[in-house]
Formats: sequence, C-alpha cells, structure tokens
Amino acid sequence: EAGVAQSPRYKIIEKRQSVAFWCNPISGHATLYWYQQILGQGPKLLIQFQNNGVVDDSQLPKDRFSAERLKGVDSTLKIQPAKLEDSAVYLCASSLVLQGNNEQFFGPGTRLTVL
Amino acid sequence: GENVEQHPSTLSVQEGDSAVIKCTYSDSASNYFPWYKQELGKGPQLIIDIRSNVGEKKDQRIAVTLNKTAKHFSLHITETQPEDSAVYFCAASQGYSTLTFGKGTMLLVSP
Repeated sequence: EAGVAQSPRYKIIEKRQSVAFWCNPISGHATLYWYQQILGQGPKLLIQFQNNGVVDDSQLPKDRFSAERLKGVDSTLKIQPAKLEDSAVYLCASSLVLQGNNEQFFGPGTRLTVL
Repeated sequence: GENVEQHPSTLSVQEGDSAVIKCTYSDSASNYFPWYKQELGKGPQLIIDIRSNVGEKKDQRIAVTLNKTAKHFSLHITETQPEDSAVYFCAASQGYSTLTFGKGTMLLVSP
C-alpha cells in the first residue's frame, strides 16, 4: 500500500513570507497528525484531526499556523508569516483510528528553512 | 503533561555489539510505549512497541523492556549491523492522548 505522501520535500523562504505544506494520508486512515521536528529533537505534535474535525490543536501557534482537512482526506498546514524559529521538518502522519496506541505512519517530511 | 527523557543522545558501537537506549516518563497513566527509527531524510518508522500489561517484548534482534514502577523502558538491539545506524526515538501515550517523544538517540554502528 502507498505510504503517507507529503509535498514539497524542501522549501526555503524569507521571514515574514507565507508557506503551505500538503499531506495525503494512507487510504482509509481516519486520523491525521502534523508534527514539527526541530533539528536534534523529537517530533512535537502541532495538530491532530479525526476525519475532518480537530481533536487536539493545543500546541499549534494559532497566531501564525493554520491547518485544515476539509474532506477528511488530504490536509494542508500553513504558516503566515514565518519566523526564523519555524525552521524545522514538518512531518505528517496517519493512523487507522483515534487511539493513542494505534501505529502512526509517517511521511518523509517537508524541510523548511526560514532565512 | 507527559515528559519523556531519553539517554544517551549518541551511541557508538562496533558491529556485532549490543546497544541499549533508555527512556523515562513522568505520567504514571501512560500505557503505550513505541520506539521509532528515523533514517536520514525519512520519517520515523515504528520498529517495536509495548503496552503496560507486558514487561518485555522481543522481535528478532530487538527487544523492549518496561518497568512501570520505576517509569522507565529500554530498547535493546543485539548483534548490531551497520544498517541499524539511525536516530531512535522513544515515545509514550495513554488512552486517546497523543504521543510524547524523547529527544532521540543517534546510533552509529561501525563495521
């Protein structure tokens, strides 16, 4: 089966610009996650969707980050305006059901560099 | 919230040696502990996981042990091979809550 797809793989922008990332989860996976992984650290959850509803966005910096999953399949994560500290890899993951002990499958990530 | 500490941050071993990575967690309600392997340029991939009703789980050369009383769990890799070189992350969660990851261990296996 196809894995989690993400695009673009790399993005370089200047601070105060906007950027958007796209994720296509594994077919049939109801739960979708966006993580931020800063160099040398573990992934940190930004937002979690169950179908097209938000389950947890407590760690999403809502003044500049937004995410949507309109049809319960693909998702986009947007940053506007970007700051230097947003430089990181943004990982998308999906799982079959909403459970903490259900395997999460990760995409390859988008590496964002903010200059 | 949950806090996961992981040690060591880097680990260098010779091919064929064993490697052990240790993690501690803070929330006694956590009951699911997965380990992920992340190779360069790729997303993390689940390699083994353990639930709180089990003390040890083994899958070929890798094993995980859990001590709920002490709130720590460990990853053991035996007969290491160069292709085991990667960054390994432990994580913890409970029920419907999200995964909290450790900071990772870079494992280097020298031929």
